[in-house]
Amino acid sequence: AQSVTQPDIHITVSEGASLELRCNYSYGATPYLFWYVQSPGQGLQLLLKYFSGDTLVQGIKGFEAEFKRSQSSFNLRKPSVHWSDAAEYFCAVAPFHAGNNRKLIWGLGTSLAVNP
Amino acid sequence: NAGVTQTPKFQVLKTGQSMTLQCAQDMNHNSMYWYRQDPGMGLRLIYYSASEGTTDKGEVPNGYNVSRLNKREFSLRLESAAPSQTSVYFCASSEGRGQIYGYTFGSGTRLTVV
Repeated sequence: AQSVTQPDIHITVSEGASLELRCNYSYGATPYLFWYVQSPGQGLQLLLKYFSGDTLVQGIKGFEAEFKRSQSSFNLRKPSVHWSDAAEYFCAVAPFHAGNNRKLIWGLGTSLAVNP
Repeated sequence: NAGVTQTPKFQVLKTGQSMTLQCAQDMNHNSMYWYRQDPGMGLRLIYYSASEGTTDKGEVPNGYNVSRLNKREFSLRLESAAPSQTSVYFCASSEGRGQIYGYTFGSGTRLTVV
């Protein structure tokens, strides 16, 4: 069955430190890949997405993600974290085949705390 | 720049009561979705509407009904609320029928059923 795994439930980093949030997916072919962020009490906001081409994609708020086919991973990174980055981060996958193009498969999220 | 607007933001219901959650988008998106978010369960799709006039069940449709009133509006109805429906409900929309465009989410409705 298709699935998305975010191995880290909770991560704490210091402000200014680098960040990497992990995402692994289980799917036979390369899917569409997304990262969303949810600030406390808010809805989810799309950070970035990958469809094809360059495996390093840039998103909003200074985030980037790298697709690694060999590892079935799509990890999210930021060189220097700001206190305002404290939020819940969700990885999602859209299977790429006709007839089932409506269902996003979501990871359970990683909660990021930022120490001053 | 409203995006996706959900009302109400908070609601407390007694078991057995009914209510309708409203959602409207102003981006001329074709597809709309209702999700519920529960701790440890992530986001689960309740219903979706690929285009005006069509609706389909998601993962957890039991106890809910939906109406795609027009292209802008997609409502979610709880006919007889149960404590298991205590959750945060999110409406989302996307430009096309598929998932590749990404979703725009509303800010959510926090529902408590007592």
